[in-house]
Amino acid sequence: AQSVTQLGSHVSVSEGALVLLRCNYSSSVPPYLFWYVQYPNQGLQLLLKYTTGATLVKGINGFEAEFKKSETSFHLTKPSAHMSDAAEYFCAVSGFQGAQKLVFGQGTRLTINP
Amino acid sequence: EAGVTQSPTHLIKTRGQQATLRCSPISGHTSVYWYQQALGLGLQFLLWYDEGEERNRGNFPPRFSGRQFPNYSSELNVNALELEDSALYLCASSLGDDRVYGYTFGSGTRLTVV
Repeated sequence: AQSVTQLGSHVSVSEGALVLLRCNYSSSVPPYLFWYVQYPNQGLQLLLKYTTGATLVKGINGFEAEFKKSETSFHLTKPSAHMSDAAEYFCAVSGFQGAQKLVFGQGTRLTINP
Repeated sequence: EAGVTQSPTHLIKTRGQQATLRCSPISGHTSVYWYQQALGLGLQFLLWYDEGEERNRGNFPPRFSGRQFPNYSSELNVNALELEDSALYLCASSLGDDRVYGYTFGSGTRLTVV
């Protein structure tokens, strides 16, 4: 079975500071990993995904994530936070073909301080 | 290209009533997924439909049911509503293997049970 743990339900950073949102996964098969962002009163938008190949994945809005198999991690980073980055972020894992469902973490709410 | 559309945006029902939520996937997407996002509980997988068939089901009671129509749109029905059913219900669609493409989410239906 697959599972996702997001460390920190709430992260607060200053505008211009590094953003680091942590995600650890558990999967019995090679994982496919995703980060989604949810703005208030909206659905989820795909930020980036890792399937196979290069372990450093670049996404939209300047975000990137690195798949580290040895650490079972897929942390999301952005070098310089912007006020518009304030949102909730979800990490998700998909494993078995045929199971066809993403398993989401509990989410991390990112607050940007001016 | 139109995204995933959900209706209604908001729905208020009384305990014991039935609620019907609707979802239209992106054109060409044959898989539809339903998730419940209740306060403090993250995203919980409800149902997966593909080619008109229910393919997988999350850990929810039978009063949560649905169907997928020949045009791939989907309906989620919740019978005998309980207060704890109050949540944002998100629909997503996928083109083929969700591990490769991820999901595209709609903006959700906020169900309030009073």
